Amino acid sequence: KAGVTQTPRYLIKTRGQQVTLSCSPISGHRSVSWYQQTPGQGLQFLFEYFSETQRNKGNFPGRFSGRQFSNSRSEMNVSTLELGDSALYLCASSFGRSNEQFFGPGTRLTVL
Amino acid sequence: SQQGEEDPQALSIQEGENATMNCSYKTSINNLQWYRQNSGRGLVHLILIRSNEREKHSGRLRVTLDTSKKSSSLLITASRAADTASYFCATDPLMNYGGSQGNLIFGKGTKLSVKP
Repeated sequence: KAGVTQTPRYLIKTRGQQVTLSCSPISGHRSVSWYQQTPGQGLQFLFEYFSETQRNKGNFPGRFSGRQFSNSRSEMNVSTLELGDSALYLCASSFGRSNEQFFGPGTRLTVL
Repeated sequence: SQQGEEDPQALSIQEGENATMNCSYKTSINNLQWYRQNSGRGLVHLILIRSNEREKHSGRLRVTLDTSKKSSSLLITASRAADTASYFCATDPLMNYGGSQGNLIFGKGTKLSVKP
């Protein structure tokens, strides 16, 4: 079974721009979660989607948004980028809640 | 907010030795999961232990869970240089209605260095 894939792997943007990251879950997994990882804050939960619905959201500003498509693929968008948005963005998929979450390789976003 | 707190923050051992990492958490949980991360790459799932389990094994890994103390430990036996990585515990918090919150809460991790 193919693992979780994320594209692109690396991104460099400037302040004020917006960015869209993509995640394809493991086949058969309908739950997709997004996390932000920074050296200072560690791994922080962004949002969780299941069957195209956002079921849970972390404590991030409205500039961070996401969506899930009918094939379970998910995208997250960050608008009006700030320097502090530089991070590794990780996507995880699971069969359902309270199951193992399997992570993709991440997208390394650098904001200049 | 961080729920899990790993201890120690860093651990350096020789190949062949055992490595023990501890994790403490604050709220009731459905399960606790351990992950490994190599140099800023994606997280690799190691093991999941449910709240009604006390111990679980997978290869050279042994995980224990003590829900009364809200703590877990990960033991890696006969460590190898390839085990060098950061290790994270993550909890799946139990909601009031008995379900899952749907997201994992991670600790800051333990950096393990295994010297050949």
